[in-house]
Amino acid sequence: GQQLNQSPQSMFIQEGEDVSMNCTSSSIFNTWLWYKQDPGEGPVLLIALYKAGELTSNGRLTAQFGITRKDSFLNISASIPSDVGIYFCAGQNFVTGNQFYFGTGTSLTVIP
Amino acid sequence: DAGVIQSPRHEVTEMGQEVTLRCKPISGHNSLFWYRQTMMRGLELLIYFNNNVPIDDSGMPEDRFSAKMPNASFSTLKIQPSEPRDSAVYFCASSLSQGGRLFFGSGTQLSVL
Repeated sequence: GQQLNQSPQSMFIQEGEDVSMNCTSSSIFNTWLWYKQDPGEGPVLLIALYKAGELTSNGRLTAQFGITRKDSFLNISASIPSDVGIYFCAGQNFVTGNQFYFGTGTSLTVIP
Repeated sequence: DAGVIQSPRHEVTEMGQEVTLRCKPISGHNSLFWYRQTMMRGLELLIYFNNNVPIDDSGMPEDRFSAKMPNASFSTLKIQPSEPRDSAVYFCASSLSQGGRLFFGSGTQLSVL
């Protein structure tokens, strides 16, 4: 199945720093989702985006649906130790099918 | 809302044994997905159902894998016979079709010895 290009693969940052990660696809989507996964748990939905250009925030997290509909970005401001985990993007084009395609994940380490 | 419920959380079995994983989707959701997660391959879609009907099973590795959804509130993923390379975390997820949000269960950690 299709996998999205997600970058960076991993990040090591100091507590308090801002974080940016992104996902790109070769095809257009009409839904973008961002997840965080902690060890031993399932991915937890952070933000959902439904319109090109849409900018949505959830606390310190902000995500954008790219204008081309082929990319999305997630920013975390003022990182804290509990932000540690793996972040995944997922895209869906419900016109062509209901399946969600996932990025390869960004592993985030926050150094106190 | 109880969320997506999977059982068991952990399964350890011997090669050749049958394994059955269970999933209860969120009430009212009409799409159900089975994923497998490994370090090497990340999250792979195995199969998904819309309104209890299998729509795309192209991700099912081989005939040893089968999935059913007898009603809107229950699905199973069966592996028979199991092999060591099936060891992975298996996730069930559900959503409303047509642009709904996808919610995951806590997963089943499968180890085949």
